[in-house]
Formats: sequence, C-alpha cells, structure tokens
Amino acid sequence: KAGVTQTPRYLIKTRGQQVTLSCSPISGHRSVSWYQQTPGQGLQFLFEYFSETQRNKGNFPGRFSGRQFSNSRSEMNVSTLELGDSALYLCASSGQGPLYGYTFGSGTRLTVV
Amino acid sequence: GQQVMQIPQYQHVQEGEDFTTYCNSSTTLSNIQWYKQRPGGHPVFLIQLVKSGEVKKQKRLTFQFGEAKKNSSLHITATQTTDVGTYFCAGDQAGTALIFGKGTTLSVSS
Repeated sequence: KAGVTQTPRYLIKTRGQQVTLSCSPISGHRSVSWYQQTPGQGLQFLFEYFSETQRNKGNFPGRFSGRQFSNSRSEMNVSTLELGDSALYLCASSGQGPLYGYTFGSGTRLTVV
Repeated sequence: GQQVMQIPQYQHVQEGEDFTTYCNSSTTLSNIQWYKQRPGGHPVFLIQLVKSGEVKKQKRLTFQFGEAKKNSSLHITATQTTDVGTYFCAGDQAGTALIFGKGTTLSVSS
C-alpha cells in the first residue's frame, strides 16, 4: 500500500511569509502526527491529530497550527516565518495510535531566507 | 514535561565491533519504540517494547526495556556498514504524544 505522502518536498520562503505543508497518511490510518527535525535537536513534537481532533500539542508558538480533514489528510501552517523555522518537517501516521509504531513520510524541507 | 534522553550522541566503530545506545526517560513510559534514520532519509520504525523487563531480538539487534519502564537500550552485535544511521528511541505515557530522544548517530568504518 502507498506510504505517507508529504508535499511539497522542498520549499524556500522569505521571513514573514506563511507556509502550508500537506500530509496524506496511509489509507485507513486515522492518527497523524507532525514533527520538526533540526540538526542537534532531534525530532520535536508539534501536533497529533486523530479523527479531525487535535489530541496533543507540543511546545511551539501559536504561529504553528494544524488541522486534519475527514479523509485523515492533514495540513500544518506556519505564519510569520522566522529564520529559525528552517527545518525538516516530518509527518507520521499510525493505524491505532502510537502503540503500533509510526510510518513517516519523506518530509518537507523548509528553508527560510 | 516528559523528557527522553539518549546517549551517546555519536558513536564510531570499526566494522565487526558491537554498539549500544541507551535511552532514559524522566517519567514511567507506557511503551518505548525504536527508529532508524539513514542519512538523508526519514525515521523508520524498528520495534516497540511494552512490558517491564522485555527483551526482543531482530537478527543482530537486541532491544531491552527496563524493569521500571524508564530506560531502554539497543545493542547491535558485529556492526556492518549497513547499520550506519541515527537511532532514535521514543516513548509515551498513555494518551500523551510520542516523544523522541535526540538520537545516537552511528558511523562504521570498514
């Protein structure tokens, strides 16, 4: 079956702009989580959605937001971009929550200039 | 909040040597998971441990979950160049998000 699909793969934005990233989970998976990965910081948790409801939220400023649609596809939005937002944004889906392991997408590499 | 610490941050070994990475949580975990990320790739799920004191093996990889469910380890026997990458542990408490350690990056020279 198809894996987790993230679009776009690469993105270059200017400070102050906003960006929307998309994630399509594995068919049938209802749980979607987002992580920010930067060198030295590992994977930092952003959000977790399950059946269109935000189940958990990480310690990121309000500029970071997300949502999940009825087909389980998810988007995250970052407004007023800062240079420090440059990172690899990873989306992961799970069939029944974290207990069964996450399948990650290839990520969106965001560069803010 | 919940924190997951992982050591060492980097490890270089000669091919054929053993390798171990350790994971410690500030809180008791419901389960611990291990992931591997190859250079330029994304994390790939390896295994999940749920029971106190659990030990699982996957070929040359041995995973352990501590009795108190606050620590875990991954041991690779006789490393190969294909083992290169960053190994992450991740844990959660019931109903909370899955929190990742910062990972151990393994390099192997032949």
